[in-house]
Amino acid sequence: DSGVTQTPKHLITATGQRVTLRCSPRSGDLSVYWYQQSLDQGLQFLIQYYNGEERAKGNILERFSAQQFPDLHSELNLSSLELGDSALYFCASSVSSRGQETQYFGPGTRLLVL
Amino acid sequence: GQQLNQSPQSMFIQEGEDVSMNCTSSSIFNTWLWYKQDPGEGPVLLIALYKAGELTSNGRLTAQFGITRKDSFLNISASIPSDVGIYFCAGQLRAGNNRKLIWGLGTSLAVNP
Repeated sequence: DSGVTQTPKHLITATGQRVTLRCSPRSGDLSVYWYQQSLDQGLQFLIQYYNGEERAKGNILERFSAQQFPDLHSELNLSSLELGDSALYFCASSVSSRGQETQYFGPGTRLLVL
Repeated sequence: GQQLNQSPQSMFIQEGEDVSMNCTSSSIFNTWLWYKQDPGEGPVLLIALYKAGELTSNGRLTAQFGITRKDSFLNISASIPSDVGIYFCAGQLRAGNNRKLIWGLGTSLAVNP
């Protein structure tokens, strides 16, 4: 158990709908990262938040948005869903020490768009 | 986006065999990380490397941070069926206060009992 929690574990929805994925980082971790992993694909970095502020953006679509709340949990919002958005969505949290940073991943949310 | 060259893409081996995989890049990294992902689960950190030339073991796993800081390898000795999964390397770039993690595409390992 990495200490990072994600809900829901599974989500089935229809095209055009909007969903929200939730992540709670490890206690004390200020950074939250969101990744998308499609079938047989590597991890695609979407976005990073640090202590409530957006820090880095990756390959995140305009239909997707995220935020990090004062209690450091984060939500990833996916709207106008398309079939191709079906994937595993992972959240990771990290803490920096002496200039080093290690990410710890949650169990993921499996999204299926029908 | 920027990615590491991770090879091989997949491996199918017999139980008991040793395994070796590596990651290379044209960029210099200050950290190398190796993760394992079981089917349907999130990646789990196996080994973290922080210094060029560093050789670190975790049980049957051994990883090294290349002396040029542009590559790293992971070895698994005496493989067992539970070693099955996807192994990812990740290299960390640092520019000032900003850190960026670059990921390999993974090595899929299958072990035949």
